[in-house]
Amino acid sequence: KNQVEQSPQSLIILEGKNCTLQCNYTVSPFSNLRWYKQDTGRGPVSLTIMTFSENTKSNGRYTATLDADTKQSSLHITASQLSDSASYICVVSSNLKTSYDKVIFGPGTSLSVIP
Amino acid sequence: NAGVTQTPKFRVLKTGQSMTLLCAQDMNHEYMYWYRQDPGMGLRLIHYSVGEGTTAKGEVPDGYNVSRLKKQNFLLGLESAAPSQTSVYFCASSYGGFETQYFGPGTRLLVL
Repeated sequence: KNQVEQSPQSLIILEGKNCTLQCNYTVSPFSNLRWYKQDTGRGPVSLTIMTFSENTKSNGRYTATLDADTKQSSLHITASQLSDSASYICVVSSNLKTSYDKVIFGPGTSLSVIP
Repeated sequence: NAGVTQTPKFRVLKTGQSMTLLCAQDMNHEYMYWYRQDPGMGLRLIHYSVGEGTTAKGEVPDGYNVSRLKKQNFLLGLESAAPSQTSVYFCASSYGGFETQYFGPGTRLLVL
């Protein structure tokens, strides 16, 4: 069964600290992996996208890694800011040779950055 | 450029009532999607459309219908609302089926 799991479920960190969020997936065949940020009361917004051949991708203070062999990804946030408080969703796409990717969303990690 | 917009933002229904959620995008995207998001679960695809006049079932289509009469609009209908349909509904659009999806702000629906 295609699944995406994320850990931890929630996380509280002090402003300025770094943190790492984890994503494990069993999706096959694999097409790409995205990390989305979802602010409270808003829709998700894409942060990064990685294909099979990419093992790291950065977007400002956000760095995503991908290990396609172990089917694991991580999102590292550097020097956290209060505005980083949000839910971070790992999304894995499966190329089923159709006109679109089958997209499987993880449950998200809720991050709270406190002063 | 408003991106993806959804109306209404919040709605309360009684069991058995019907309603339509409207999604509009101004990015000329071909693909549009309706998802629901429940606590502790990932977004789940209800229906999607690969172009004007087309619709297809997603992961959880029962109890919902959709229409895509115009390229920029994607409507989600609930014919007879049930408490199990209490959720936050998100619309999204993308240029192609493999491209990044852009999400609307969501519609909170409470069915009593």
